[in-house]
Amino acid sequence: DIQMTQSPSSLSASVGDRVTITCRASQSINSYLNWYQHKPGKAPKLLIYTASSLQSGVPSRFNGSGSGTDFTLTISSLQPEDFATYYCQQSYSTWTFGQGTKVEIK
Amino acid sequence: EVQLVESGGGLVKPGGSLRLSCAASGFIFTTAWMSWVRQAPGKGLEWVGHIKSSTAGGTTDYAAPVKGRFTISRDDSKNTLYLQMNSLKTEDTAVYYCSWEYHSALNIWGQGTMVTVSS
Repeated sequence: DIQMTQSPSSLSASVGDRVTITCRASQSINSYLNWYQHKPGKAPKLLIYTASSLQSGVPSRFNGSGSGTDFTLTISSLQPEDFATYYCQQSYSTWTFGQGTKVEIK
Repeated sequence: EVQLVESGGGLVKPGGSLRLSCAASGFIFTTAWMSWVRQAPGKGLEWVGHIKSSTAGGTTDYAAPVKGRFTISRDDSKNTLYLQMNSLKTEDTAVYYCSWEYHSALNIWGQGTMVTVSS
């Protein structure tokens, strides 16, 4: 199976900060990479699909980039509602998630 | 409104079986590819498996930890997705979500149903 490794595992940031989360695949997955936001007690929410396409209704401060094995999710200006755990997920073959990145208030 | 509603969760003993259901509405279920995802307490999201639409062959794929024990099926006449879980282990304890796949991503999610495997 393809292993997905996110970094960092957690981070502390302030409202207005620029935040970057990286995701690395153990082999090339082309652009079959998605990003999700998950808050406790809620269903996960799709943010970005196929590496860089913004899901409908998701604010434009969320941006995804990358291809092959290295991918990035950037939040350009962190808002209070963005404190959550973020996951990358590959859909190239037998799907797998990264271990998650928890974004906490500084 | 697009909606997915899971049911069937509960407490089961190790080695036991349980069947989860996911009722879909608001989209054309017959052409939808569907997934199950779980989250164990204090852990991250884990993809369990998926089933293609019947028109695409209705084939399934599973994550290694559940392969041979879990079976995903669908009843298009009832707009319902199923997850049959056999030989359950304590490590299968989790919230189980169903999700509608679109653009090779998990587009819409249900609210989840809790499965606890304990003696």
